[in-house]
Amino acid sequence: QKEVEQDPGPLSVPEGAIVSLNCTYSNSAFQYFMWYRQYSRKGPELLMYTYSSGNKEDGRFTAQVDKSSKYISLFIRDSQPSDSATYLCAMQDPSYNTDKLIFGTGTRLQVFP
Amino acid sequence: DGGITQSPKYLFRKEGQNVTLSCEQNLNHDAMYWYRQDPGQGLRLIYYSQIVNDFQKGDIAEGYSVSREKKESFPLTVTSAQKNPTAFYLCASRVTLRYTEAFFGQGTRLTVV
Repeated sequence: QKEVEQDPGPLSVPEGAIVSLNCTYSNSAFQYFMWYRQYSRKGPELLMYTYSSGNKEDGRFTAQVDKSSKYISLFIRDSQPSDSATYLCAMQDPSYNTDKLIFGTGTRLQVFP
Repeated sequence: DGGITQSPKYLFRKEGQNVTLSCEQNLNHDAMYWYRQDPGQGLRLIYYSQIVNDFQKGDIAEGYSVSREKKESFPLTVTSAQKNPTAFYLCASRVTLRYTEAFFGQGTRLTVV
């Protein structure tokens, strides 16, 4: 079993829809969670980061962490064609003696006009 | 503007050759990383460095080498021992402290011809 699981998609939605992207993880020690957006042939761009459980909102984006279920989500409101990209989740285990981050495989999102 | 610069954007290598990918950052970050990205496999850690003159192997270090002589620079050499080097290579950096986000360069696409 992978430490972080993410549905690869593609997830196809119409413009204006609310999008929900999710990751599950197996290590209950994970505490620091990040979401990245990656356009084709580009480097990942940091969207959101959260520490421990709870919600964090930034414009059209909301990151949610449910540690009891080992489940994190990224919600995108009023989705736009420019949101079409691959979304990667990442997390860190504080018990590691390194700065190692664990990444999901990414979910490809397509927003059509 | 602060950021991470990877060069070249595209690189072609003949079989049996070594090639070096450049990564430079002006964010004053202590930690730097190299990841490899293949379709459907997400990001896999090759090497990382937490301070100058020190680096550690990641999950897939075989066939790769790195150096960290300056804080700003973390070049990656893909040697002829790497059997399947064609991939998208990403460099990242972050502040050494835990619970900080990682920032990525725009990547180098390496193709063996």
